[in-house]
Amino acid sequence: SQTIHQWPATLVQPVGSPLSLECTVEGTSNPNLYWYRQAAGRGLQLLFYSVGIGQISSEVPQNLSASRPQDRQFILSSKKLLLSDSGFYLCAWAAGGTDTQYFGPGTRLTVL
Amino acid sequence: KQEVTQIPAALSVPEGENLVLNCSFTDSAIYNLQWFRQDPGKGLTSLLLIQSSQREQTSGRLNASLDKSSGRSTLYIAASQPGDSATYLCAVRGATSGTYKYIFGTGTRLKVLA
Repeated sequence: SQTIHQWPATLVQPVGSPLSLECTVEGTSNPNLYWYRQAAGRGLQLLFYSVGIGQISSEVPQNLSASRPQDRQFILSSKKLLLSDSGFYLCAWAAGGTDTQYFGPGTRLTVL
Repeated sequence: KQEVTQIPAALSVPEGENLVLNCSFTDSAIYNLQWFRQDPGKGLTSLLLIQSSQREQTSGRLNASLDKSSGRSTLYIAASQPGDSATYLCAVRGATSGTYKYIFGTGTRLKVLA
């Protein structure tokens, strides 16, 4: 069966510090991968999605970036965090050619 | 630009009631629509997916309907239970928006009282 992992589960970082969140999927090949952010009182916002290694589409201009160094690994990064980057970050995957998305447990990021 | 709205934002009902959650979207050119459940501090779980050509989908006590022309979907929960307490989100995939991109509503927070 397929599983999706995210770490860390929670993170508290000072403004201006770097960020690296990792997401890995097991039990499937060539998945579509997604990064979402859920801010307090707001809907789920798609940040990046990837349909293959090295293929990243950005949905929102911001100080965040994403990379997919391996087929089942998706990384969200920032060089300098802003207060507005605080939120709940969710990674999701979907089998290629299908729409049902499976979400990871999320990372709660607080920027102080 | 597609916008997805969910009403009400919060709902509290006694156990056993049948209830309806609403989702509306501004652009009827959608590929499909999904309903998700999110427990506090957790990720999302997909409940039902309705293709644009379908009118409804059922899974257990859940039934989702889609009226694409009017830009609306409803999630019907029969015989609600305390375990149904969660936030329910709908999301639409636009027909012309690109590969597997979904626009989410802000959700309805449901509390079922024992």
